[in-house]
Amino acid sequence: GENVEQHPSTLSVQEGDSAVIKCTYSDSASNYFPWYKQELGKRPQLIIDIRSNVGEKKDQRIAVTLNKTAKHFSLHITETQPEDSAVYFCAASSAEGNNRLAFGKGNQVVVIP
Amino acid sequence: DAGVTQSPTHLIKTRGQHVTLRCSPISGHKSVSWYQQVLGQGPQFIFQYYEKEERGRGNFPDRFSARQFPNYSSELNVNALLLGDSALYLCASSSQPDPNTGELFFGEGSRLTVL
Repeated sequence: GENVEQHPSTLSVQEGDSAVIKCTYSDSASNYFPWYKQELGKRPQLIIDIRSNVGEKKDQRIAVTLNKTAKHFSLHITETQPEDSAVYFCAASSAEGNNRLAFGKGNQVVVIP
Repeated sequence: DAGVTQSPTHLIKTRGQHVTLRCSPISGHKSVSWYQQVLGQGPQFIFQYYEKEERGRGNFPDRFSARQFPNYSSELNVNALLLGDSALYLCASSSQPDPNTGELFFGEGSRLTVL
């Protein structure tokens, strides 16, 4: 099945700097890649997603890039703010016929004021 | 509009017991998926239901079962609970059965502790 790996596991950045989280996936048939933000004790919330027919998508301070050849995609957060501190999960759709998302293990982002 | 609602929010069970978790999707959403999130890990797919039919099953034992009702709400049942079943159980709904076309919206989850 689909295997999603996320790097690094923890990332600390100074407020105002940029943060980048990278994910790799194994199933070349995957074509939907969402990113979720989860604050402590809260539900995962979709912050941005990208489909395989585009290479980049941007929404204000958040952007996602996709390289289908290399099977990796990245989340970019610019001008980080303390409220960006959370765990971020990448995910990839599975083409096994189950219509399910395979999630990475998560990345703890800490924005230092 | 209400989002995905789950109940109960927290519960404690002992090994060998049975648990039923409930989920109401966003109004108009016909697809419900269940995920298990163990502390420190990403969510893992358990089931997907669409129009009351099972559309997918993850790598979980037969102790896990689910169903979807005519109003598109869903139940997740776990029998013969083990300590390792302790987790946050997340329900997600989508307007489409295929995540390639529809976004997943998660509920707040049911936190199960097995003692």
